[in-house]
Amino acid sequence: DAGVTQSPTHLIKTRGQQVTLRCSPKSGHDTVSWYQQALGQGPQFIFQYYEEEERQRGNFPDRFSGHQFPNYSSELNVNALLLGDSALYLCASSFMTSNPDTQYFGPGTRLTVL
Amino acid sequence: SQQGEEDPQALSIQEGENATMNCSYKTSINNLQWYRQNSGRGLVHLILIRSNEREKHSGRLRVTLDTSKKSSSLLITASRAADTASYFCATGLIQGAQKLVFGQGTRLTINP
Repeated sequence: DAGVTQSPTHLIKTRGQQVTLRCSPKSGHDTVSWYQQALGQGPQFIFQYYEEEERQRGNFPDRFSGHQFPNYSSELNVNALLLGDSALYLCASSFMTSNPDTQYFGPGTRLTVL
Repeated sequence: SQQGEEDPQALSIQEGENATMNCSYKTSINNLQWYRQNSGRGLVHLILIRSNEREKHSGRLRVTLDTSKKSSSLLITASRAADTASYFCATGLIQGAQKLVFGQGTRLTINP
Protein backbone atom coordinates (compact mmCIF):
# COMPACT_ATOMS: atom_id res chain seq x y z
CA ASP A 1 0.00 0.00 0.00
CA ALA A 2 1.75 3.13 -1.23
CA GLY A 3 1.79 6.12 1.02
CA VAL A 4 1.60 9.72 -0.08
CA THR A 5 3.98 10.48 -2.93
CA GLN A 6 5.18 13.85 -4.20
CA SER A 7 7.13 14.97 -7.21
CA PRO A 8 9.59 16.35 -7.89
CA THR A 9 11.82 15.99 -4.83
CA HIS A 10 13.74 19.17 -5.47
CA LEU A 11 13.18 22.10 -7.78
CA ILE A 12 15.11 25.28 -8.54
CA LYS A 13 13.38 28.21 -10.19
CA THR A 14 14.06 31.90 -10.72
CA ARG A 15 11.94 34.83 -9.63
CA GLY A 16 8.89 35.40 -11.78
CA GLN A 17 8.68 31.85 -13.04
CA GLN A 18 5.82 29.45 -12.46
CA VAL A 19 5.99 26.02 -10.81
CA THR A 20 3.74 22.97 -10.55
CA LEU A 21 4.09 20.42 -7.77
CA ARG A 22 2.32 17.07 -7.76
CA CYS A 23 0.89 14.80 -5.09
CA SER A 24 -0.69 11.35 -5.08
CA PRO A 25 -2.66 10.55 -1.93
CA LYS A 26 -2.52 7.41 0.13
CA SER A 27 -4.71 4.63 -1.24
CA GLY A 28 -8.32 5.08 -0.12
CA HIS A 29 -7.99 8.77 0.73
CA ASP A 30 -10.09 11.37 -1.01
CA THR A 31 -8.83 14.65 0.44
CA VAL A 32 -5.55 16.43 -0.23
CA SER A 33 -4.14 19.32 1.76
CA TRP A 34 -1.08 21.39 0.93
CA TYR A 35 1.28 23.01 3.43
CA GLN A 36 4.26 25.33 3.10
CA GLN A 37 7.13 24.96 5.54
CA ALA A 38 9.76 27.66 5.62
CA LEU A 39 13.15 26.80 7.07
CA GLY A 40 12.99 26.51 10.84
CA GLN A 41 9.23 26.97 10.98
CA GLY A 42 6.21 24.74 11.33
CA PRO A 43 4.09 23.91 8.28
CA GLN A 44 1.44 26.44 7.28
CA PHE A 45 -1.81 25.41 5.62
CA ILE A 46 -2.23 26.58 2.03
CA PHE A 47 -5.47 24.90 0.91
CA GLN A 48 -7.42 21.67 0.82
CA TYR A 49 -9.10 19.85 -2.06
CA TYR A 50 -12.01 17.45 -1.95
CA GLU A 51 -14.26 16.33 -4.79
CA GLU A 52 -12.07 18.35 -7.17
CA GLU A 53 -12.92 21.60 -5.40
CA GLU A 54 -11.01 23.86 -3.05
CA ARG A 55 -12.73 23.46 0.32
CA GLN A 56 -10.59 25.47 2.69
CA ARG A 57 -7.87 28.02 2.15
CA GLY A 58 -5.21 29.49 4.39
CA ASN A 59 -3.73 32.95 4.26
CA PHE A 60 -1.94 32.66 0.92
CA PRO A 61 -2.25 34.95 -2.12
CA ASP A 62 -4.00 34.02 -5.32
CA ARG A 63 -0.61 33.23 -6.88
CA PHE A 64 -1.08 29.89 -5.15
CA SER A 65 -3.65 27.73 -6.89
CA GLY A 66 -4.41 24.07 -7.10
CA HIS A 67 -6.30 21.32 -8.73
CA GLN A 68 -7.58 17.89 -7.83
CA PHE A 69 -8.13 15.21 -10.42
CA PRO A 70 -10.80 12.46 -10.50
CA ASN A 71 -8.25 9.96 -9.20
CA TYR A 72 -7.80 12.25 -6.12
CA SER A 73 -4.26 13.28 -7.04
CA SER A 74 -3.53 16.97 -6.81
CA GLU A 75 -1.33 19.75 -8.14
CA LEU A 76 -0.12 22.92 -6.50
CA ASN A 77 0.70 25.81 -8.83
CA VAL A 78 2.59 28.91 -7.84
CA ASN A 79 2.82 31.83 -10.27
CA ALA A 80 5.18 34.79 -10.32
CA LEU A 81 7.58 33.17 -7.89
CA LEU A 82 9.15 35.29 -5.18
CA LEU A 83 12.30 34.60 -3.18
CA GLY A 84 10.07 34.12 -0.15
CA ASP A 85 8.35 31.17 -1.80
CA SER A 86 11.46 29.09 -1.17
CA ALA A 87 10.30 26.36 1.19
CA LEU A 88 9.44 22.71 1.64
CA TYR A 89 5.98 22.04 0.20
CA LEU A 90 4.17 19.20 1.88
CA CYS A 91 1.13 17.34 0.70
CA ALA A 92 -1.10 15.48 3.14
CA SER A 93 -3.95 13.12 2.42
CA SER A 94 -6.89 12.04 4.51
CA PHE A 95 -10.44 10.78 4.32
CA MET A 96 -13.04 13.56 4.42
CA THR A 97 -15.55 11.93 6.73
CA SER A 98 -13.11 10.48 9.24
CA ASN A 99 -13.35 11.94 12.70
CA PRO A 100 -10.99 12.82 14.01
CA ASP A 101 -8.91 13.35 10.95
CA THR A 102 -5.41 11.91 10.77
CA GLN A 103 -3.43 13.35 7.91
CA TYR A 104 -0.61 11.43 6.28
CA PHE A 105 2.19 13.48 4.81
CA GLY A 106 4.37 12.94 1.79
CA PRO A 107 8.14 13.49 1.76
CA GLY A 108 7.76 17.00 0.38
CA THR A 109 9.13 19.02 -2.52
CA ARG A 110 11.98 21.38 -1.74
CA LEU A 111 11.54 24.54 -3.84
CA THR A 112 14.39 27.01 -4.15
CA VAL A 113 13.72 30.35 -5.83
CA LEU A 114 16.81 32.26 -6.98
CA SER B 1 0.09 32.76 12.02
CA GLN B 2 0.95 29.82 14.24
CA GLN B 3 -1.67 28.46 16.63
CA GLY B 4 0.62 26.69 18.97
CA GLU B 5 3.93 27.20 20.60
CA GLU B 6 6.24 24.39 21.53
CA ASP B 7 8.53 24.57 24.50
CA PRO B 8 11.45 24.22 24.60
CA GLN B 9 12.54 25.18 21.09
CA ALA B 10 15.51 22.84 21.43
CA LEU B 11 16.26 19.95 23.79
CA SER B 12 19.41 17.87 24.09
CA ILE B 13 19.53 14.78 26.32
CA GLN B 14 21.49 11.57 26.77
CA GLU B 15 20.33 8.32 25.26
CA GLY B 16 18.12 6.43 27.68
CA GLU B 17 16.76 9.56 29.35
CA ASN B 18 13.19 10.75 29.00
CA ALA B 19 12.29 13.74 26.84
CA THR B 20 9.34 16.02 27.52
CA MET B 21 8.03 18.61 25.09
CA ASN B 22 5.17 20.99 25.68
CA CYS B 23 2.69 22.65 23.38
CA SER B 24 0.33 25.51 24.07
CA TYR B 25 -2.46 26.68 21.80
CA LYS B 26 -4.91 29.53 21.65
CA THR B 27 -8.37 28.43 20.55
CA SER B 28 -10.79 25.60 21.28
CA ILE B 29 -9.88 22.42 19.45
CA ASN B 30 -11.37 19.15 18.28
CA ASN B 31 -8.11 17.25 18.60
CA LEU B 32 -4.36 17.66 18.93
CA GLN B 33 -1.78 15.66 17.05
CA TRP B 34 1.96 15.20 17.37
CA TYR B 35 4.23 14.73 14.37
CA ARG B 36 7.93 13.96 13.96
CA GLN B 37 10.11 15.33 11.18
CA ASN B 38 13.60 14.12 10.37
CA SER B 39 16.01 16.57 8.72
CA GLY B 40 13.45 18.65 6.83
CA ARG B 41 11.71 15.66 5.31
CA GLY B 42 8.07 14.61 5.49
CA LEU B 43 6.09 14.56 8.71
CA VAL B 44 5.38 11.27 10.44
CA HIS B 45 2.19 11.06 12.46
CA LEU B 46 2.87 9.93 16.03
CA ILE B 47 -0.31 10.19 18.04
CA LEU B 48 -3.69 11.92 18.12
CA ILE B 49 -5.60 12.88 21.24
CA ARG B 50 -9.20 14.05 21.15
CA SER B 51 -10.39 17.07 23.09
CA ASN B 52 -12.37 14.84 25.50
CA GLU B 53 -9.33 12.71 26.32
CA ARG B 54 -6.73 13.55 28.94
CA GLU B 55 -3.97 11.04 28.29
CA LYS B 56 -2.96 8.64 25.60
CA HIS B 57 -0.13 6.13 25.18
CA SER B 58 1.56 4.61 22.16
CA GLY B 59 4.66 2.52 22.77
CA ARG B 60 7.26 4.81 24.37
CA LEU B 61 5.08 7.88 23.78
CA ARG B 62 2.76 9.43 26.30
CA VAL B 63 0.63 12.45 25.46
CA THR B 64 -1.43 14.51 27.85
CA LEU B 65 -3.98 17.18 27.06
CA ASP B 66 -5.29 19.87 29.39
CA THR B 67 -8.01 21.79 27.58
CA SER B 68 -8.52 24.15 30.51
CA LYS B 69 -4.91 25.31 30.17
CA LYS B 70 -4.88 24.87 26.39
CA SER B 71 -1.75 22.81 26.61
CA SER B 72 -0.38 19.38 25.76
CA SER B 73 2.80 17.49 26.50
CA LEU B 74 4.63 14.72 24.70
CA LEU B 75 6.82 12.39 26.74
CA ILE B 76 9.26 10.05 25.03
CA THR B 77 10.61 7.48 27.45
CA ALA B 78 13.95 5.65 27.21
CA SER B 79 15.11 7.84 24.32
CA ARG B 80 17.17 6.44 21.46
CA ALA B 81 19.48 8.08 18.94
CA ALA B 82 16.83 7.45 16.28
CA ASP B 83 14.46 9.77 18.17
CA THR B 84 16.61 12.73 17.12
CA ALA B 85 14.21 14.88 15.08
CA SER B 86 11.93 17.89 15.23
CA TYR B 87 8.60 17.37 16.93
CA PHE B 88 5.50 19.42 16.10
CA CYS B 89 2.13 19.68 17.70
CA ALA B 90 -0.81 20.42 15.43
CA THR B 91 -4.32 21.32 16.39
CA GLY B 92 -7.44 20.32 14.52
CA LEU B 93 -10.24 22.77 15.06
CA ILE B 94 -13.23 20.92 13.64
CA GLN B 95 -14.52 17.43 12.98
CA GLY B 96 -13.79 15.71 9.70
CA ALA B 97 -11.06 16.57 7.24
CA GLN B 98 -9.54 19.76 8.44
CA LYS B 99 -6.63 22.06 8.22
CA LEU B 100 -4.00 21.49 10.85
CA VAL B 101 -2.43 24.43 12.63
CA PHE B 102 1.15 23.71 13.59
CA GLY B 103 3.48 25.12 16.18
CA GLN B 104 7.10 25.94 15.42
CA GLY B 105 8.42 22.67 16.79
CA THR B 106 10.93 21.36 19.27
CA ARG B 107 14.30 20.22 17.97
CA LEU B 108 15.26 17.10 19.98
CA THR B 109 18.82 15.77 19.96
CA ILE B 110 19.65 12.45 21.60
CA ASN B 111 23.33 12.12 22.44
CA PRO B 112 24.83 8.60 22.48
